[in-house]
Amino acid sequence: DAGITQSPRHKVTETGTPVTLRCHQTENHRYMYWYRQDPGHGLRLIHYSYGVKDTDKGEVSDGYSVSRSKTEDFLLTLESATSSQTSVYFCAISGQGQGTGELFFGEGSRLTVL
Amino acid sequence: GDSVTQMEGPVTLSEEAFLTINCTYTATGYPSLFWYVQYPGEGLQLLLKATKADDKGSNKGFEATYRKETTSFHLEKGSVQVSDSAVYFCALSDQSGGGADGLTFGKGTHLIIQP
Repeated sequence: DAGITQSPRHKVTETGTPVTLRCHQTENHRYMYWYRQDPGHGLRLIHYSYGVKDTDKGEVSDGYSVSRSKTEDFLLTLESATSSQTSVYFCAISGQGQGTGELFFGEGSRLTVL
Repeated sequence: GDSVTQMEGPVTLSEEAFLTINCTYTATGYPSLFWYVQYPGEGLQLLLKATKADDKGSNKGFEATYRKETTSFHLEKGSVQVSDSAVYFCALSDQSGGGADGLTFGKGTHLIIQP
């Protein structure tokens, strides 16, 4: 299994509070991603990173920010959580070395915003 | 933009039945194609992949063939087991842009296998 750890795995918070989810990898992969999974929508890309301090927006980036100060860590921040951000969040990594774009996923972080 | 369409289900089958989950795609470049599986409470795991037209990916009795002429990548298994119950995602990676922006996923197909 790819060495990807997400924390926290479960979190309940209230509307308007800030939340930070952490993804930590031990694979030294260059590319890291944050997806959210919702019923009827599958997985949608929030933000991704192609190197330290290099990030870009995905399909559903509004209300989210990210940071990557080290190769191994990719943080997802909700500055002011809303109920629409209740979801399961998955971090993924890719080395791109094989040129196929295959991703390896963490086990997910379930966030509930009340 | 790129997109993936798959049947959402739930798809309910009896054990040992034949399985087909349809997947079609739209892409501007020459994508690689994937099937991922998600068991309850877990993250996604790669099931199989194909990187060019006419390639067949296979794993754990599952197969899918990259059909460029029909833009399809249907998942098949000859005899399903209860342990195959999961959500299956079809996905593509459009390599024309370097592939750095991740995979585009279908909405997932919930498969339920009854004993």
